[in-house]
Amino acid sequence: ETGVTQTPRHLVMGMTNKKSLKCEQHLGHNAMYWYKQSAKKPLELMFVYSLEERVENNSVPSRFSPECPNSSHLFLHLHTLQPEDSALYLCASSQDYALEEAFFGQGTRLTVV
Amino acid sequence: GENVEQHPSTLSVQEGDSAVIKCTYSDSASNYFPWYKQELGKGPQLIIDIRSNVGEKKDQRIAVTLNKTAKHFSLHITETQPEDSAVYFCAASKNTDKLIFGTGTRLQVFP
Repeated sequence: ETGVTQTPRHLVMGMTNKKSLKCEQHLGHNAMYWYKQSAKKPLELMFVYSLEERVENNSVPSRFSPECPNSSHLFLHLHTLQPEDSALYLCASSQDYALEEAFFGQGTRLTVV
Repeated sequence: GENVEQHPSTLSVQEGDSAVIKCTYSDSASNYFPWYKQELGKGPQLIIDIRSNVGEKKDQRIAVTLNKTAKHFSLHITETQPEDSAVYFCAASKNTDKLIFGTGTRLQVFP
């Protein structure tokens, strides 16, 4: 175990649904990240939170809404997604932002139907 | 911005042989180069990293080399074992900037 836990592991949702992905880290880290992993594409950084403040939002559509209530928890709220949003969503954390080892969770496999 | 290219996309080797994966980067200011291994059903896990002040780093059967002039770095796995089968990602970043990942290499080690 990496110390980063994601739930659920698998999620199937319709395009009109609203769902949330959850990430929890038990490492005492200050930075948390959401990545999107699609087949045959590089890992895409979506959002970065450092000390509970969002420091990066890489042109992610508004149908993805992150929330970081404290340094141990990170959520990704999903609404009105498209089939092309189907992917593996990975959460990661690091001691501080950038130039630090990132610890990844096992990911949530999302399928939008 | 930084761009990282990774080759090959797939690599098959016989158990016991060596495997080499290569990455090139575009931003000469990049100074941190980690390698991640992703096994089926799991998230990526850091296996080795190198910073720009050294040219080579080794940890048991894995090693990474960095050529700053040519802007490329490589992962070397010797005496490969079936459990080395996974997808390997390289990445690059510079001070206080985000990691940029390569597209990954699927390594298969046949017994």
